[in-house]
Amino acid sequence: ETGVTQSPTHLIKTRGQQVTLRCSSQSGHNTVSWYQQALGQGPQFIFQYYREEENGRGNFPPRFSGLQFPNYSSELNVNALELDDSALYLCASSQDRDRVYGYTFGSGTRLTVV
Amino acid sequence: LAKTTQPISMDSYEGQEVNITCSHNNIATNDYITWYQQFPSQGPRFIIQGYKTKVTNEVASLFIPADRKSSTLSLPRVSLSDTAVYYCLVGDRNSGNTPLVFGKGTRLSVIA
Repeated sequence: ETGVTQSPTHLIKTRGQQVTLRCSSQSGHNTVSWYQQALGQGPQFIFQYYREEENGRGNFPPRFSGLQFPNYSSELNVNALELDDSALYLCASSQDRDRVYGYTFGSGTRLTVV
Repeated sequence: LAKTTQPISMDSYEGQEVNITCSHNNIATNDYITWYQQFPSQGPRFIIQGYKTKVTNEVASLFIPADRKSSTLSLPRVSLSDTAVYYCLVGDRNSGNTPLVFGKGTRLSVIA
């Protein structure tokens, strides 16, 4: 059973650019959530996808968008990057939106905006 | 979601038992208590989940008093590899639209 994999592991972008982060969910999981974790803080919820539809969103501006594909993998897109977008971006997957066994997180993508 | 309060940091020596307490005074009837562990540059890892009384697995124990307004994560005989940030979360585990809400967690440092 494979876990959650994210790519790339590290990324450096310039302010104003756009970035796409990718996530492959754990086998059998149909729900994917994205989190942003700034240094020294807990992860903050961005949004969640269930069977290719967004079904929950945190307090993030529209320039944060996402997709979930038929194989349940997912992308996080961020437009017009700002310096404050520098963070660890985490993807988590689960089965049927319930949390009986908890979410499985990937190791994240470290994004640095300069 | 119910807000949680945990100590910012704790230190322990190897081999000791560590207890991290979390306060959640506004916990709702349907809420479960879940603990995650996070190592640097890794995603959080599910440790344990419970509703009331005591839950034990191969990693930890979770103690929840009758009023459920607090909970204690117990790590037996910690080692250096248990140095991590530990997060306490509460929420309805059957409400798929409700996201996980993380606080700042408790930074546990295990000393040799």
